[in-house]
Amino acid sequence: EAGVVQSPRYKIIEKKQPVAFWCNPISGHNTLYWYLQNLGQGPELLIRYENEEAVDDSQLPKDRFSAERLKGVDSTLKIQPAELGDSAVYLCASSQGTSGSLGTDTQYFGPGTRLTVL
Amino acid sequence: EDQVTQSPEALRLQEGESSSLNCSYTVSGLRGLFWYRQDPGKGPEFLFTLYSAGEEKEKERLKATLTKKESFLHITAPKPEDSATYLCAVQARRDTGRRALTFGSGTRLQVQP
Repeated sequence: EAGVVQSPRYKIIEKKQPVAFWCNPISGHNTLYWYLQNLGQGPELLIRYENEEAVDDSQLPKDRFSAERLKGVDSTLKIQPAELGDSAVYLCASSQGTSGSLGTDTQYFGPGTRLTVL
Repeated sequence: EDQVTQSPEALRLQEGESSSLNCSYTVSGLRGLFWYRQDPGKGPEFLFTLYSAGEEKEKERLKATLTKKESFLHITAPKPEDSATYLCAVQARRDTGRRALTFGSGTRLQVQP
């Protein structure tokens, strides 16, 4: 079974430029998460989707970050404009269950996208 | 607010030298405590989920245990391939609406041959 797929794996951009990350979750997984991981730290949630609905986006900096999950499968996270402090690894994860179901909550992570803003 | 503290930050062991990693947590209603392994340049890889105090799970040289305040990851006779960062995370009960994991900063383990 294929795992969580993310692209690109690496991205280097100038500050103020836009950037987008793509995630394809494990087939059948209804919940999708975007996390941000700074060097030497654990991942921190940016946004959580259940199917196509964003149910937890309280940590997403909405002035520059946006996300979408069309048709409840793939998801895109966008930053516009990027700032120097956005340099980090952006991780996508998925799990089978949702708030209203009994599916497993185990989250499986993709390899991440390492963003460098110059 | 859910919090997770891992210690030590870094640990260097000789091959075969057993040790334990600690994860202390506070959460208003624990649904599960998760252990992940993360290799450089990769995403976290799931190891274990523990749901209640007293529960234990094993996988090869790793054994995870859980109390009401902390979890331990015991590594028995480690090998160089066990070198990685080990992350601990908690998830609150479903009725809190908080489904995301709260992670600690991890323990960087290096096993020397």
